[in-house]
Amino acid sequence: EDKVVQSPLSLVVHEGDTVTLNCSYEVTNFRSLLWYKQEKKAPTFLFMLTSSGIEKKSGRLSSILDKKELFSILNITATQTGDSAVYLCAVPDSGGGADGLTFGKGTHLIIQP
Amino acid sequence: DAGVIQSPRHEVTEMGQEVTLRCKPISGHDYLFWYRQTMMRGLELLIYFNNNVPIDDSGMPEDRFSAKMPNASFSTLKIQPSEPRDSAVYFCASSLQGTGNTIYFGEGSWLTVV
Repeated sequence: EDKVVQSPLSLVVHEGDTVTLNCSYEVTNFRSLLWYKQEKKAPTFLFMLTSSGIEKKSGRLSSILDKKELFSILNITATQTGDSAVYLCAVPDSGGGADGLTFGKGTHLIIQP
Repeated sequence: DAGVIQSPRHEVTEMGQEVTLRCKPISGHDYLFWYRQTMMRGLELLIYFNNNVPIDDSGMPEDRFSAKMPNASFSTLKIQPSEPRDSAVYFCASSLQGTGNTIYFGEGSWLTVV
């Protein structure tokens, strides 16, 4: 059974701090790993990672994948209160095609002013 | 692009009543997913369709749950009869085959069964 484990489950930091969110996975047929940000509504797509060691970057957010150790990290630098959200990590199910995603429970990030 | 559209956004219903949730996927997307999100279990895949055909419904919790996709632009998730433990946020999502599993979510239908 595919499994995605995120840590920490929750994190409270001050504005300006840098945070690192972790995601480890077990999947039979790895194809990609995705990060989503969920505020009060639907998860919104952040990154898709397929190759080890290649950093994806978008503004203050960046993410990298280690396929050997089966984990990914999401970094947020110079955090702002608008970064407060649940960050979800997901991997496609082991079947072929554009199957559903198996999600981790998420990291609930709170940025205090 | 209007995105994935779901309705109703919120519903409160009494135990035993039938609930129907609706979804319009992004135009041109050939995969449609129904997810349920609760605090305890996080996001769980219930069922997904490819080209309107149900592919995997192993996540559907019980026979009380059913889903249909009569055409490429519409899907329903029905719960009959509803129970309090069905209270959750139900997300519909769609994706385009070949885009590497990037799935786009609707805003969710917040269901409360009392």
